Amino acid sequence: GNSVTQMEGPVTLSEEAFLTINCTYTATGYPSLFWYVQYPGEGLQLLLKATKADDKGSNKGFEATYRKETTSFHLEKGSVQVSDSAVYFCALSKGAGGTSYGKLTFGQGTILTVHP
Amino acid sequence: DGGITQSPKYLFRKEGQNVTLSCEQNLNHDAMYWYRQDPGQGLRLIYYSQIVNDFQKGDIAEGYSVSREKKESFPLTVTSAQKNPTAFYLCASSGGHTTNEKLFFGSGTQLSVL
Repeated sequence: GNSVTQMEGPVTLSEEAFLTINCTYTATGYPSLFWYVQYPGEGLQLLLKATKADDKGSNKGFEATYRKETTSFHLEKGSVQVSDSAVYFCALSKGAGGTSYGKLTFGQGTILTVHP
Repeated sequence: DGGITQSPKYLFRKEGQNVTLSCEQNLNHDAMYWYRQDPGQGLRLIYYSQIVNDFQKGDIAEGYSVSREKKESFPLTVTSAQKNPTAFYLCASSGGHTTNEKLFFGSGTQLSVL
């Protein structure tokens, strides 16, 4: 079956540091890949997505590139801010005859804390 | 503003009791979902519905039930058969037409056992 593995956290950084959160996946065919972010006490929000190999998703300074050869979708940001402190989830969506949309498989989440 | 509303924010269940979590959306989305979030485990799909009057079991449906009588509403009942109900429950919706469809999430309900 499908699975997503994220690097273990928590991750603690100083403001303006470089961020990488690793994500690898197992799926047959060509899944769509997502990063969602969850701020304290809230639901998840879509941060970025990529739907085919070599696509780069980007939003709010975050980037991730769909690497089929390494089955990875690592999240990066060049300079983090205190307001980026949240839980980050990598996820995939694998269609099967168009019936699997929205049925995401999530990684376990990575807690990011950014200090001033 | 369009969005998803979950209520209550906090809910307590006594042993042997059924409780119902509310989820309402005004996004005119066809598809709705219930996920369970446990610390360190990510989200797991409980039930989903692609259209009114139809729903399907997800990966961890045992001990839960749902209904979809209206497009806007997808309530989740945690029954007494669910032996470990303490978790954060998230409702989501999507237009439901493609595999890369964005999910919109509610702010969640924290369920605890008394």
